[in-house]
Amino acid sequence: KAGVTQTPRYLIKTRGQQVTLSCSPISGHRSVSWYQQTPGQGLQFLFEYFSETQRNKGNFPGRFSGRQFSNSRSEMNVSTLELGDSALYLCASSSGTTPSYNEQFFGPGTRLTVL
Amino acid sequence: LAKTTQPISMDSYEGQEVNITCSHNNIATNDYITWYQQFPSQGPRFIIQGYKTKVTNEVASLFIPADRKSSTLSLPRVSLSDTAVYYCLVGDKAAGNKLTFGGGTRVLVKP
Repeated sequence: KAGVTQTPRYLIKTRGQQVTLSCSPISGHRSVSWYQQTPGQGLQFLFEYFSETQRNKGNFPGRFSGRQFSNSRSEMNVSTLELGDSALYLCASSSGTTPSYNEQFFGPGTRLTVL
Repeated sequence: LAKTTQPISMDSYEGQEVNITCSHNNIATNDYITWYQQFPSQGPRFIIQGYKTKVTNEVASLFIPADRKSSTLSLPRVSLSDTAVYYCLVGDKAAGNKLTFGGGTRVLVKP
């Protein structure tokens, strides 16, 4: 079974631009979560989707948004990029309905650098 | 907001047991406690999950006291390949039951 894939793996943008990151979960997994990882703040929860519905959202500004498609693939978007958005963005999928009750499988992440 | 806290780092030697404690005094009532391992340039990988008492699998044990305000990951007989960062993950009641990672514990296993 293929693992969680994320594209692109690396991205360089400038302040003010927007970016879209993509995540393909493991086949059959309907729950997809996104996390931001930085040296200063560690791993922080962004949002979680299940069956195309956002069920939970972390404490991030409205510039961070996401969606999930009917095939469970998910995208997240960051608009008006700031230097502080430079981070590793991780996507995770799980087979159950609730990420906190089930093992999450993480992708390799997208490394975003904002200049 | 209540924080989920772990020691920043710990060193060990091959063959020893490593115990990492995570403090999560505001854990959501129905949530599990999950531990992940992360190597550089990779996403976290699931190690073990539990709700209460003790859970053991082929790689680790997880000890959870009755009040569930902390948990201890135990790695028996570590090897050099266990050098990694270990994270606990819980739902935090103070954060609306949002999933909250601990700050991570960097474990260095020496020969």
